[in-house]
Amino acid sequence: EIVLTQSPASLSLSPGERVTLSCRASQSVSSHLGWYQQKPGQAPRLLIYDASKRATGIPARFSGSGSGTDFTLTISSLEPEDFAVYYCQQRSNWPITFGQGTRLEIK
Amino acid sequence: EVQLVESGGGLVQPGGSLRLSCAASGFTFSDYAMTWVRQTPGKGLEWVTAVSGSGTSAYYADSVKGRFTISRDNSKNTVFLQMSSLRAEDTAVYYCAKAAGVLTRDYYPSWGQGTLVTVSS
Repeated sequence: EIVLTQSPASLSLSPGERVTLSCRASQSVSSHLGWYQQKPGQAPRLLIYDASKRATGIPARFSGSGSGTDFTLTISSLEPEDFAVYYCQQRSNWPITFGQGTRLEIK
Repeated sequence: EVQLVESGGGLVQPGGSLRLSCAASGFTFSDYAMTWVRQTPGKGLEWVTAVSGSGTSAYYADSVKGRFTISRDNSKNTVFLQMSSLRAEDTAVYYCAKAAGVLTRDYYPSWGQGTLVTVSS
């Protein structure tokens, strides 16, 4: 099973700041990695797929990069609605796995 | 617009069974793989199982293999999750989700609202 480790576990930032979240895979997943955003009481929302492609309707302030084992999700300028939990997910191997999440809180 | 509506959750005793349903609309159901993902209250996401568009291939997490069965009825645009030998650790919100494309192992751009399964005596 491929283990995805996200860091940091949580962080507090202010609107307008830039943030980079990390996801490290226990073995190469090539570019088969996605990112999701989840707000309380809601289902996850796909932001990024294939490491760097924005899903339909996702604002340009969200960007993804990486390949192999190291990936990042960057939000260029935080909006109030961006404070949520973010998960990475790999689809390279069975079983599909998710990272444990990074909680982004308002400072 | 893609819509996924789960039903069938509830309280069940350890060792019991439950069947979840997910009714889909807004897309050609048989063209897409479907999956179930669960989330323990206050915790992260765990992929549970996936089924191909035709229903002929299914995949399971080790934690549920032999106890859960995924199936689909393409004539009714519905995917099912039959859960048996339920344990306390199966307590979670269960989401059904639609794959982005034809692959069974994929990303999931569309999700239902989730249904809560509580396993407790």
